[in-house]
Amino acid sequence: DTAVSQTPKYLVTQMGNDKSIKCEQNLGHDTMYWYKQDSKKFLKIMFSYNNKELIINETVPNRFSPKSPDKAHLNLHINSLELGDSAVYFCASSRSRGTLHFGNGTRLTVT
Amino acid sequence: AQKVTQAQTEISVVEKEDVTLDCVYETRDTTYYLFWYKQPPSGELVFLIRRNSFDEQNEISGRYSWNFQKSTSSFNFTITASQVVDSAVYFCALSEARSNFGNEKLTFGTGTRLTIIP
Repeated sequence: DTAVSQTPKYLVTQMGNDKSIKCEQNLGHDTMYWYKQDSKKFLKIMFSYNNKELIINETVPNRFSPKSPDKAHLNLHINSLELGDSAVYFCASSRSRGTLHFGNGTRLTVT
Repeated sequence: AQKVTQAQTEISVVEKEDVTLDCVYETRDTTYYLFWYKQPPSGELVFLIRRNSFDEQNEISGRYSWNFQKSTSSFNFTITASQVVDSAVYFCALSEARSNFGNEKLTFGTGTRLTIIP
């Protein structure tokens, strides 16, 4: 029943590691997003994909690479993790020009 | 550039009191959307409302109401007869309606942490 689901919910890893976060939506939406929420709760867009095509890349370091194998999935791979990458990462989806529906977030902690 | 300001960082009220969360926005676009999202302590982001810039009618949904005033670029949110379950961080957000498909970038305010005291 979950509309937008992310895995894992929590991710604890050491600096320098590579990790991935997966996102799937079953709403039939065309567009998917990654947002980052920092420790002060500030939410900022990272990427958006429409029909598997990258639309928004909001000056995110190259260490972050989104991948959309199909319309229903948008994964986020992060290389060489740094302490500053610790945050909550939210996946979202929408119909074109529609309301964003968010997943429950993935809390990433880099030690 | 778009900007959303939520000047109230934290608000605490006693249960059953009414509370208004302020949101002021800036945009050069004539067509845009405004949103409110709720983030309870469990962490998820819950959609509350979306309002088109052409529709200045106020909206009421149960204990929640929204006051959109284009003249003052404000989109305030009022909770009537607050309850403990209303305790959360509330975000106001803005999106340009002229965006192409996939470009609906939400600009969020910094959020207002609302605590309802039982």
